[in-house]
Amino acid sequence: DIVMTQSPDSLAVSLGERATINCKSSQSVFYNSNKKNYLAWYQQKPGQPPRLLVSWASTRESGVPDRFSGSGSGTDFTLTISSLQAEDVAVYYCQQYYDTPLTFGPGTKVDIK
Amino acid sequence: EVQVVESGGGVVQPGGSLRLSCATSGFTFSSYAMSWVRQAPGKGLEWVSSIRTTGDNSGDRTYYTDSVKGRFTISRDDSGNILYLQMNNLRAEDTALYFCSKCPRASPYSPTDSWGQGTLVTVSS
Repeated sequence: DIVMTQSPDSLAVSLGERATINCKSSQSVFYNSNKKNYLAWYQQKPGQPPRLLVSWASTRESGVPDRFSGSGSGTDFTLTISSLQAEDVAVYYCQQYYDTPLTFGPGTKVDIK
Repeated sequence: EVQVVESGGGVVQPGGSLRLSCATSGFTFSSYAMSWVRQAPGKGLEWVSSIRTTGDNSGDRTYYTDSVKGRFTISRDDSGNILYLQMNNLRAEDTALYFCSKCPRASPYSPTDSWGQGTLVTVSS
């Protein structure tokens, strides 16, 4: 199984400041035949289902504010919130869909400092 | 608008069975892979199972996480736009909120772009 790890477990950032979340996979999730990284990021607010923010490591979903950006390749990935807003308080998960079982990271909780 | 609504959760004794249903609308159900993901109380997300589209023969039809293989069965009714999860021989560790989710393509090797609110399964004596 591909194990996903995230760091930090939690972080508190001032409004308007940058938040950076890291995700690492135990093996590469880059598929050579189509040159794509099979990595997604989700946001989950309390009492709500997850929301897909980014797929293919860096493709922002429709309707997702452009302050959210994904980067990385192979085994190391980053989700950046360029200017944290109050509504961004949530738990963020990365997920690999390169191989089954599809696996999620343990989550990173983002709060306001 | 894509809608995904789960039902069928409840309290069941260990060893018991439940069938979860997921009613969908707002998209061509038969064209997309579907998944079940669960979340134990206060815990993170765990993928449970996915199913390809009926017409996609490029690989296995259904996929499961190891802990549910042989106990859970995912299926789909393309005529009724419904996804199912038959859960047998339930264990305490299956207690979770079960989310039905839509994949953005026919392959289950996909993220999930639409989620329901979940249905709670509690396994307890």
